[in-house]
Amino acid sequence: NAGVTQTPKFQVLKTGQSMTLQCAQDMNHNSMYWYRQDPGMGLRLIYYSASEGTTDKGEVPNGYNVSRLNKREFSLRLESAAPSQTSVYFCASSELSGYTFGSGTRLTVV
Amino acid sequence: LAKTTQPISMDSYEGQEVNITCSHNNIATNDYITWYQQFPSQGPRFIIQGYKTKVTNEVASLFIPADRKSSTLSLPRVSLSDTAVYYCLVGPLQAGGYQKVTFGTGTKLQVIP
Repeated sequence: NAGVTQTPKFQVLKTGQSMTLQCAQDMNHNSMYWYRQDPGMGLRLIYYSASEGTTDKGEVPNGYNVSRLNKREFSLRLESAAPSQTSVYFCASSELSGYTFGSGTRLTVV
Repeated sequence: LAKTTQPISMDSYEGQEVNITCSHNNIATNDYITWYQQFPSQGPRFIIQGYKTKVTNEVASLFIPADRKSSTLSLPRVSLSDTAVYYCLVGPLQAGGYQKVTFGTGTKLQVIP
């Protein structure tokens, strides 16, 4: 009953460093999403993947890239981290009835 | 795309019933209404979903009038553990349908002892 698993849970990066946030789901969902949530704000969609082999930009894609490695895994990469990317990142998957979210990655860029 | 409007915050005493209303004037024929709950430092969690009239589960009730331009989430006899942010989402139930759905800032419910 793992649902959506995100790693790592916490990360501190220096400006300009790169890193990849990992996400895996075990519910056989077709669609997967990456969101960011800034303090006191709602969730904003970064990228999504409607099905294996497809990805598309969401509301705030600049500075990020994604890879839908297979049906289970959807990773988010920051090529050159900036302080403006300090946020909590949530991965989610969905089938017809709604989202299942992971527990989030708290990223701080200094 | 259906835009949603919710109150920014609400306060309630323990044991009271809480009703949170969401407006979605341009809801489409194939859109469903879904409510999520988010606790601090956690991802949102599905509460309830409906298309029209009334839906009830073990956690909440969802009331949707005939014109579907609004919906009301009803939480019976809230406790301190119901303090959270509640999001109303409107979107189609199709594979990948949620890429067109945006989360607003939600309604922050504070339950007071």
